Amino acid sequence: DQQVKQNSPSLSVQEGRISILNCDYTNSMFDYFLWYKKYPAEGPTFLISISSIKDKNEDGRFTVFLNKSAKHLSLHIVPSQPGDSAVYFCAASALGDGLTFGKGTHLIIQP
Amino acid sequence: DGGITQSPKYLFRKEGQNVTLSCEQNLNHDAMYWYRQDPGQGLRLIYYSQIVNDFQKGDIAEGYSVSREKKESFPLTVTSAQKNPTAFYLCASSINVGSRTQYFGPGTRLLVL
Repeated sequence: DQQVKQNSPSLSVQEGRISILNCDYTNSMFDYFLWYKKYPAEGPTFLISISSIKDKNEDGRFTVFLNKSAKHLSLHIVPSQPGDSAVYFCAASALGDGLTFGKGTHLIIQP
Repeated sequence: DGGITQSPKYLFRKEGQNVTLSCEQNLNHDAMYWYRQDPGQGLRLIYYSQIVNDFQKGDIAEGYSVSREKKESFPLTVTSAQKNPTAFYLCASSINVGSRTQYFGPGTRLLVL
């Protein structure tokens, strides 16, 4: 049973526009959420995180929004750049446990 | 220059053979983790270690073993009991298990001959 779901396997966005990646979770014990970016044959790179006590966290072009009642989070990238093309993983954590990952969304930025 | 190194980048295993994947970190992190990624899938936790000489099973520990004799090192052995070992293996570390942000190494791709 998947506890972290990324329902869009891929997303295509025009350069300069906003990219919105979505993630849903089912485990109420998750209280910390992270987004990672991954290129093929490389390890994931940490992008941004959010604690369940917040509903928004911003870092440069990246903003993560958390809706606890809906058990939903999203990553906004604005403006989208060609180097943003990669697979993005949503991950969730309960205290004392490792990370639980979604299956990823492949973001393609078109010129 | 701090970071996590994994070796080798590619590893080939024959049927019935045990192989060991290396993971070293010089970040002075207490906690270390091993994940497996299959095509089109997310990362799944194999084992994790909160401190030297301690480790816990993750979601898919069967067919794997680990040791944590030094803070810097967390090797993973893929045993012959692991029937489907072909995957991309990722090692990660965090300051401690209470620090949620994990930092990943470059990965090792294991292929079965």
